[in-house]
Amino acid sequence: GAVVSQHPSWVICKSGTSVKIECRSLDFQATTMFWYRQFPKQSLMLMATSNEGSKATYEQGVEKDKFLINHASLTLSTLTVTSAHPEDSSFYICSATIFSGRIYEQYFGPGTRLTVT
Amino acid sequence: GESVGLHLPTLSVQEGDNSIINCAYSNSASDYFIWYKQESGKGPQFIIDIRSNMDKRQGQRVTVLLNKTVKHLSLQIAATQPGDSAVYFCAENIGYDYKLSFGAGTTVTVRA
Repeated sequence: GAVVSQHPSWVICKSGTSVKIECRSLDFQATTMFWYRQFPKQSLMLMATSNEGSKATYEQGVEKDKFLINHASLTLSTLTVTSAHPEDSSFYICSATIFSGRIYEQYFGPGTRLTVT
Repeated sequence: GESVGLHLPTLSVQEGDNSIINCAYSNSASDYFIWYKQESGKGPQFIIDIRSNMDKRQGQRVTVLLNKTVKHLSLQIAATQPGDSAVYFCAENIGYDYKLSFGAGTTVTVRA
């Protein structure tokens, strides 16, 4: 099956610093990648849609200047949390889509645990 | 074991019994639904999907039922095993851009 990786798997940073999270589709080229955020014991909340070569589309309430998304190629999207604060501590998950011939399937990465101190 | 109503946050089921996880969706225009399993500290894993032109779809040990009249989706797991312990999310497709909207999730705990 299609594999999506994320790096790092966990990161601890100090308040005010920036953190970059990478999302890679390892064995396929992704039409679209999505970024989600998940707080403890809560569901996944879509943050933004990322397409290669174009600006990301952010969901309502998500600050585009704080969560910078760069989609450099069909296999790599990055999420940079700028000037991180403790309330940004969360589990960040990306997904990548591929057309299976029947539907566009989303494959999820293993997630990145961000802790801001 | 069965979660009733919209959904319960947790479901405890005896190993070997069947599990039923329920989900209510909100958008009557949604035409594609997916069930995901998420283990602690990991990303969601695809279980089974169904399109709105169907009311039932079966996989290996799992069955998804869709009732569009009441906007209700359920996941049935046959002969529940300890490895089935996880959080289960339903998700609906909310547009042609393949964005997914996730439900709140149900935590399934399998008792030995």
